[in-house]
Amino acid sequence: KAGVTQTPRYLIKTRGQQVTLSCSPISGHRSVSWYQQTPGQGLQFLFEYFSETQRNKGNFPGRFSGRQFSNSRSEMNVSTLELGDSALYLCASSWGWQGEQYFGPGTRLTVT
Amino acid sequence: QQQVKQSPQSLIVQKGGISIINCAYENTAFDYFPWYQQFPGKGPALLIAIRPDVSEKKEGRFTISFNKSAKQFSLHIMDSQPGDSATYFCAASMESNYQLIWGAGTKLIIKP
Repeated sequence: KAGVTQTPRYLIKTRGQQVTLSCSPISGHRSVSWYQQTPGQGLQFLFEYFSETQRNKGNFPGRFSGRQFSNSRSEMNVSTLELGDSALYLCASSWGWQGEQYFGPGTRLTVT
Repeated sequence: QQQVKQSPQSLIVQKGGISIINCAYENTAFDYFPWYQQFPGKGPALLIAIRPDVSEKKEGRFTISFNKSAKQFSLHIMDSQPGDSATYFCAASMESNYQLIWGAGTKLIIKP
């Protein structure tokens, strides 16, 4: 069974630009969660989607948004990038109820 | 009340020793407590998890000890090996809300 895939793996953007990251969950998984990971800040929860609906949302500004498609693939978008948005963005999928989350390798975003 | 406090932030243990990482929570509605292991360049992966109806769960060299009255749980790694060097995250969630609440992480280094 294929794992969670994230594209692209690395990205360099300029402050003020926008970026879209993609996540393909494990086949059959209906829940996709997004996290921001920075050194010293641990895993910061962005949002979670289940069956195309946002079910949970973390404390991030509105510049961070996401969506989920009918095939459970998910995208997250960050508009008006700031230097502080440089981070590893992780996507995790699960069956949809409480249990193990399977993480992708992440997208390393660098904002210059 | 949603926080999970993890300590220590970093830990150095000699090969063959016991590594102990602690987590504390406030919300008594939490009923699922997983530990995740993350190697550099990879996403976190589930290591072991426990529910509050048991006080201890062991899988190989990894043991979770759970103290419901103290609202604490800990990860013990017996006979620690250099390959165990990684960042460890504790987390908690409740059945009514599938969102995992994460600890800040512990960077574990096992010295040969």
